[in-house]
This record gives sequence, structure tokens and C-alpha cells, in this order.
Amino acid sequence: AQTVTQSQPEMSVQEAETVTLSCTYDTSESDYYLFWYKQPPSRQMILVIRQEAYKQQNATENRFSVNFQKAAKSFSLKISDSQLGDAAMYFCAYRSNGRGAGGTSYGKLTFGQGTILTVHP
Amino acid sequence: GAVVSQHPSRVICKSGTSVKIECRSLDFQATTMFWYRQFPKQSLMLMATSNEGSKATYEQGVEKDKFLINHASLTLSTLTVTSAHPEDSSFYICSALDHLTSEQFFGPGTRLTVL
Repeated sequence: AQTVTQSQPEMSVQEAETVTLSCTYDTSESDYYLFWYKQPPSRQMILVIRQEAYKQQNATENRFSVNFQKAAKSFSLKISDSQLGDAAMYFCAYRSNGRGAGGTSYGKLTFGQGTILTVHP
Repeated sequence: GAVVSQHPSRVICKSGTSVKIECRSLDFQATTMFWYRQFPKQSLMLMATSNEGSKATYEQGVEKDKFLINHASLTLSTLTVTSAHPEDSSFYICSALDHLTSEQFFGPGTRLTVL
């Protein structure tokens, strides 16, 4: 079974500064996706960024970028020029790209414990 | 992006009653939907995978007779919490998988409070 670990329960950053959230995972699979989701106080889950394991290039989405180290099974999120609206709980998630027995587990996400990010003005 | 709705957004019920939560994909067909439970400041815990036209697949430790899932159409899955008790109070979130794009979209969640 896959596991996802976020070792930072809470992080804080000054507005306009950069912060990095850590995530490690464990899997025996070679084809998978990794995601970072943001959950603001509204509790609506918002996809921040996704990385396909077979792509060596790190994904970027505006101020958000990842450092994907496949061999080390590490997937950190860097937020540049932090804004007050970035304050939220962030979850790292893993998804296999293969189909499980009977195909019933396709698309299943495994989440990390989450990191609460506070942005100070 | 695609939209997933949940209804109701919050519900308060008495202990022993049953509560139904609906999850709808509004602009795409979802043969697979997922139901999660989340306690405050904790992660999402997958309860079950709902597949259209077949029985749901429950995660270990989740009582299938207590959390009834029905996925009768390509756009609707329902979770019924039967004989609810205070310990069932939680935030329930659904997500829907768009098989054409492999993207997963989350509903806004339902806050259940059992008195």
C-alpha cells in the first residue's frame, strides 16, 4: 500500500516571501501521479499542482512549483511571493496510474496528514 | 473547471435518525465517485469508492451497513448515514472522477452534526 507523509504540521511565512512544504511518499509502483491540494477555511479542496511520475521536469503553476525527486520519493511544494490568500491547509496526495484488481480503485487518492500554512502580513 | 455539488451543505439531526447526502457532477459524467470523511485539522480519510451500476468498495474499518452508498446514475452518488450517532458528526466530502480527463473534482463538503 502507498503512504504519503507530511512531516510539517504547521508552517508560517511572511507575505511576499517563499516557503517550501515537504512531502515524502512510499510506493513500489513506477507510474503514478502526485498532487498538492489546498483547503482554505471554506474547506473546498482546490488542486494546486500535479506531477506525472514519468515526467522528469518539475511542474510549475504561476507562483507554485514542485521539486520532484523520484528516486528519493520526495515531492515538495514551493510557494513564491506568498500572499495572504495562500493561507490554508495543504495536502500532498498520491494516485496510482494503474488499475487495481477489477479496476475499482482507479483514481483513488492517498493523502498526507496536511500542513497548515499561515501567512503573516 | 468541472463542478461537483453536494447537498445539503450542513445538516443537524437527532441521534438514531438517517441522513442522506447527495453528490452530483454537474457538467461531466462520473462513473467513479469517492466519499471522504474529515475531522477538524485532519486529513481526508477515504471511506468508499462508488462505482456507477455496481456495489461500492469500502475501505477497511468502514461499516458498509452504516454508510450506505448508491450510485444509480452517471452524475449522482448518495451517502446515507443510517442510525446516526454523535460520533458520526464530521465533515463529509465527495469527489468525482472524470474518466475522459482522469481529473478528480471535489464537492464543497457536508457538515453533519448529530445531537
